This record gives sequence, C-alpha cells and structure tokens, in this order.
Amino acid sequence: GQSLEQPSEVTAVEGAIVQINCTYQTSGFYGLSWYQQHDGGAPTFLSYNALDGLEETGRFSSFLSRSDSYGYLLLQELQMKDSASYFCAAPPDQTGANNLFFGTGTRLTVIP
Amino acid sequence: KAGVTQTPRYLIKTRGQQVTLSCSPISGHRSVSWYQQTPGQGLQFLFEYFSETQRNKGNFPGRFSGRQFSNSRSEMNVSTLELGDSALYLCASSSGQGIYGYTFGSGTRLTVV
Repeated sequence: GQSLEQPSEVTAVEGAIVQINCTYQTSGFYGLSWYQQHDGGAPTFLSYNALDGLEETGRFSSFLSRSDSYGYLLLQELQMKDSASYFCAAPPDQTGANNLFFGTGTRLTVIP
Repeated sequence: KAGVTQTPRYLIKTRGQQVTLSCSPISGHRSVSWYQQTPGQGLQFLFEYFSETQRNKGNFPGRFSGRQFSNSRSEMNVSTLELGDSALYLCASSSGQGIYGYTFGSGTRLTVV
C-alpha cells in the first residue's frame, strides 16, 4: 500500500537550518507537497514538487528525488514561529484521484 | 479574499447522535475536500466534491456522508456518532486540482461523549 514516512520529532536551534525528510512508497507518483500546521491551526500549503530538484520559497525549500522515492523540506534561518508540525503529502495510488495522502507528520521544535 | 470558513468551530455531541458540519470554500473554488485529523491516524481523506458531485471517497463507513450545494458550500454529516469520531474535521478548498495545493479551513473540533 501507499506510505509516506517522516521522522516524528525534530528539534533545532533558532537561526539554524533543519531538514525534514519524507520517503514514500507508491505505485504511481504525481508529486510531493508540504504543509505546515501550528497547534490548533489549519494546515497551510508550503510547496509542491512535481519534478526532481529543489524548489525555493523564501526561507523554505523543498527537494524531490523520484528515483530515490525521497523528498525533504529545508528550513533556513529558523525562527521560533517555525515550531509546528510539517506534513508531506502525495496523491493516492489510484489514477484520477484528486485528494492527498498525508504522511504522519514531523513535529519541529525550535529552541532559543 | 475571504478564506475557507468552517462552522461551528467546536461541537460536543453524545454517542448515537448525528452532526452536520459546514464549509464555505474560497470564492470561485469548486472543489471541497473533507479530512479527519486525529492524533493516532493523522490526516485521513473523507471525500471530495466538485460541482455538486462526489468525485472521490475515502475508506470511511457509510455513517459519514456529505453534499455540496450549487454555491459550492459543502456539508458533511456523521450519523450514529461513536466515541472514535472525536476529531478535528478539516475542509480543504481548491479550484479543481487539490493535489497542487489546498487551502484549509480552521476546522471543526468534534468531541463525542
């Protein structure tokens, strides 16, 4: 079946760089997305990678390697407000589906 | 423009009751998807509606149903509530292809007692 594996928790220091990994297993692949969710808040779309390589949006970058079934989210110049849960997500295996299968999420704690 | 609006924000219901949750998507968005979020299972897809038609459905029992109106507003209904239905129910709006990026509402926190 389909799976998206992420580390459950990551802790990093303010101002540092942190990488959150996501490995996936799926029979078909239509791109990898990343979402951020603060406690008590709604998930917020961060990025979408359809092709291999790095996509940069400000302090956040996302990388995809389809040959390795692997992606990561890179957060630079960490700020306290970056403490949140981060989810990778991909369309399900069945063709034509227009929903997302989410990973289990990584809780990022930024410490001073 | 206004975001995705979900009502109510919090709800407490008793086992066996039914509940209806509402979602108003971003103006112009015709796709509304519903997700259940729990600490143990994470974010799980319930169903997706596009132009009043259900396009996809997740692996939830028939007690979970939904509909979409001509103005794209959507409702989901859960009948015969069980304790395990306690969760955050999230509505996600997109113009048609949610796989390229959803806008989520703040959710409805349902507690079943």
